[in-house]
Amino acid sequence: QKEVEQNSGPLSVPEGAIASLNCTYSDRGSQSFFWYRQYSGKSPELIMFIYSNGDKEDGRFTAQLNKASQYVSLLIRDSQPSDSATYLCAIYGQNFVFGPGTRLSVLP
Amino acid sequence: KAGVTQTPRYLIKTRGQQVTLSCSPISGHRSVSWYQQTPGQGLQFLFEYFSETQRNKGNFPGRFSGRQFSNSRSEMNVSTLELGDSALYLCASSDGLAGIYNEQFFGPGTRLTVL
Repeated sequence: QKEVEQNSGPLSVPEGAIASLNCTYSDRGSQSFFWYRQYSGKSPELIMFIYSNGDKEDGRFTAQLNKASQYVSLLIRDSQPSDSATYLCAIYGQNFVFGPGTRLSVLP
Repeated sequence: KAGVTQTPRYLIKTRGQQVTLSCSPISGHRSVSWYQQTPGQGLQFLFEYFSETQRNKGNFPGRFSGRQFSNSRSEMNVSTLELGDSALYLCASSDGLAGIYNEQFFGPGTRLTVL
């Protein structure tokens, strides 16, 4: 079993819709959870992190964490074509472990 | 505040050669982590340096090594290059303090091609 799993996608949503990205992890000792966005040919950029169960909102982005289910998600409201990218889930315990990423395509 | 810088940005080597990549973290950050990113394996952790000491290490062969200097700049070395070492090598900077708020910021990466 891989340590961090994500659907590879592509996930296609129409402009203005909510995009939902999911991530599961195997290490129950994981302490904090990060979402990165990576445009093609660029390096990952940090969107947000969460470390407590529940929701955390930052602008159009909401991260949701459920440690009992070992599940973290990212919601993007009012999706824009500029949100089209690969979204990487990263888990931090002893060190960072990244998921394979989900490719999101927002259609105009 | 300047971001993470990596040099060189692109590199072409042949099998058997060695290569050294450099990373300068964000000012004030003491932790530098290195990652290898390939289409097939995704983003994989190589090692982390904090205050000139290797703090964590991923599952890569001993051909991959690194070091960190007193100014927090870090270098990564790959010896006896193999075709499979072709990848984007990313460096990430954080303040590295103990705790869970370990936000990492990535540099632009070095694209290594091994022929």
